[in-house]
Amino acid sequence: QSVLTQPPSVSGAPGQRVNISCTGSTSNIGAGYDVHWYRHLPGTAPKLLMYGNINRPSGVPDRFSGSKSGTSASLAITGLQGEDEADYYCQSYDSSLRGDVFGTGTKVTVL
Amino acid sequence: QVQVEESGPGLVKPSETLSLICSVSGGSVSDNSYYWSWIRQPPGKGLEWLGYIHHSGYSNYSPSLKSRVTMSVDTSKNQVSLKLISVTAADTAVYHCAREGGCSRGICYSSSWFDPWGQGTLVTVSS
Repeated sequence: QSVLTQPPSVSGAPGQRVNISCTGSTSNIGAGYDVHWYRHLPGTAPKLLMYGNINRPSGVPDRFSGSKSGTSASLAITGLQGEDEADYYCQSYDSSLRGDVFGTGTKVTVL
Repeated sequence: QVQVEESGPGLVKPSETLSLICSVSGGSVSDNSYYWSWIRQPPGKGLEWLGYIHHSGYSNYSPSLKSRVTMSVDTSKNQVSLKLISVTAADTAVYHCAREGGCSRGICYSSSWFDPWGQGTLVTVSS
């Protein structure tokens, strides 16, 4: 059972911007634990998209940006492209569970 | 560049033990900076962290699976293993192996992340 909540789906036209929220609680994001984001196409290896809330690994385009405030974090994708269609997951640490936790996942659709 | 690849039986009978191997290439499982994690995704559901193991033997397992899971490191083979006992249909999932670390460019963060991941291997629990 995921303790980080994401919208099941978001969509946008090519070139538009979409935002994916990740809502936690005072035992994870709200406690100050950093948030990371992944992109996943079923049948493939999930890919790290953002670490430490706002940092892009090398090779990830600057169309992707992250933010964190209070008990929530957010991933923004600008200039939406067809190749951005995938499932996106946030991830952090939970002090009550004493382990890593994932978000519920968001499917991004390019209209 | 580090790569990980999962392998093991694709079919396990209920009440038996699920055993998987994660083979690491391009890097060493003995690297002190990293843990080695297992994550699974049941069909149609999201990602679930199962736990991690360090080459020192230190481990941390998900509370929901703690009584059934064991992870280990074989430094001679550069592999990590997962064992899950007393499986049921609810354990049917794609199982991923991933390297877990929390520092980059000299900065260490308050939570760690997974990179890289393996493509995963589907394990079905059925008689």
